[in-house]
Amino acid sequence: EIVLAQSPATLSLSPGERATLSCRASQSVSHFLAWYQQKPGQTPRLLIYDVSYRAAGVPARFSGSESGTDFTLTISSLEPEDFAVYYCHQRDTWPWTFGQGTKVEIK
Amino acid sequence: EVQLVESGGDLVQPGGSLRLSCAASGFIFRSYYMAWVRQAPGKGLEWVAKINRDGSDNAYVDSVNGRFTISRDNVKNSLYLQMNSLRVEDTAVYYCALALSSYFDYWGQGTRVTVSS
Repeated sequence: EIVLAQSPATLSLSPGERATLSCRASQSVSHFLAWYQQKPGQTPRLLIYDVSYRAAGVPARFSGSESGTDFTLTISSLEPEDFAVYYCHQRDTWPWTFGQGTKVEIK
Repeated sequence: EVQLVESGGDLVQPGGSLRLSCAASGFIFRSYYMAWVRQAPGKGLEWVAKINRDGSDNAYVDSVNGRFTISRDNVKNSLYLQMNSLRVEDTAVYYCALALSSYFDYWGQGTRVTVSS
């Protein structure tokens, strides 16, 4: 099973600040890496797929990148609605897996 | 509008069984892969099972393999998860998920399964 290790577990930032979330895969996932956002009481929302492509309706402040097996989700300037938990996900190899999540909270 | 509506969650004793259903509408159900994902209380997300368009191919996470069965009815536009030999650790909200793209981009609101004596 491919393990996705997300860091940090919690990110405390203020609106307007830049958020950088990391996801390290235990082995290659090729480009099959996505990011989901989940707010309390809501279902996950697909933000980024195939490392760096924004899903429909996702604002341009969200971007994804990779360096080998290290993946990054960047939120360029946090809006109040961005405070949530973010999960990375790989669909390269079954069982597909999620990271354990990074909570972005208001500082 | 895409809609996924799960049902069937309940409180059940360890060793018991449940059948979850997901009623789909707003898209051509038979054309897309579907999956079940679960989230234990206060925890992260876990893929449980996936099924291809015609139901001929499926896969399970190891922890449920041999106990859970995913199936679909492309006439009734419904997805199912038969869960047998339930364990306390199966307690979670179970989401039905749809891959309209190559990723699962639509999710139902979930149905709660509680396994407890």
